[in-house]
Amino acid sequence: LAKTTQPISMDSYEGQEVNITCSHNNIATNDYITWYQQFPSQGPRFIIQGYKTKVTNEVASLFIPADRKSSTLSLPRVSLSDTAVYYCLVGDTGGFKTIFGAGTRLFVKA
Amino acid sequence: DAGITQSPRHKVTETGTPVTLRCHQTENHRYMYWYRQDPGHGLRLIHYSYGVKDTDKGEVSDGYSVSRSKTEDFLLTLESATSSQTSVYFCAISERLAGDSYEQYFGPGTRLTVT
Repeated sequence: LAKTTQPISMDSYEGQEVNITCSHNNIATNDYITWYQQFPSQGPRFIIQGYKTKVTNEVASLFIPADRKSSTLSLPRVSLSDTAVYYCLVGDTGGFKTIFGAGTRLFVKA
Repeated sequence: DAGITQSPRHKVTETGTPVTLRCHQTENHRYMYWYRQDPGHGLRLIHYSYGVKDTDKGEVSDGYSVSRSKTEDFLLTLESATSSQTSVYFCAISERLAGDSYEQYFGPGTRLTVT
C-alpha cells in the first residue's frame, strides 16, 4: 500500500498562493493521486485528482512529476475560508486500499 | 452535495452494548465505505462494500461488522462497544469514473462516545 508523507502544518496569508507537497515513493502504476479538504466537524471533501502531469480545476491545480513519486497541490490566492486540513491520498480504483495520512493543517491568516 | 445521510449523528452508549450506525445514500453508487477518525488523525478504513452483500475488511476492522442488503444502505455494527471505539465515524460512497479513477463523497459523520 502506498503511504504518503505531508508536512504537518503550514501557515499562509490571505491572497497568497499555497503549495502543499506530498511524497508517495511507493506509488503503483495504476494508482491515482487525490486530494481532499476537511473542515472541523465535517467529512472530507474532494478537491482534485490526477494521474500524471498537471490537472487544474476551478479551485486548485495538481502538479505531478514524471516519476510520480510526489505531487503538489496548489491553491491560488487563499482566503481565510481555506483554513482546513488537506489530505493527499494514493490509491487504486474504488479507493479500497487508500490510506489517509495525518494530513496538512493549513492556517490562513488575515 | 452528494445525497448521503448518517444516523444517528450523535450517540452515547455504555461499554459492552451493541451499536449500529446507518449510512444511507440516494446516489445509487456501487461502492460504500466506513471510516473512523480519531483526534489529530486522518481517517482509517474499517470496512467497505463493492455491491449488495459484497463487503470486505479495511485497515481497522476488528470489533466491527457490516451489512449491505440494499444498494442504498450500509450498516456498521459494533457487537460489543469498547471505550477504544469512541470516535467519529464517516460513511463514504464512490463510483468508478472514466479512466479508472474514482471520487469519494463523505457523509456528515456520527460522533460515538462509549462510556
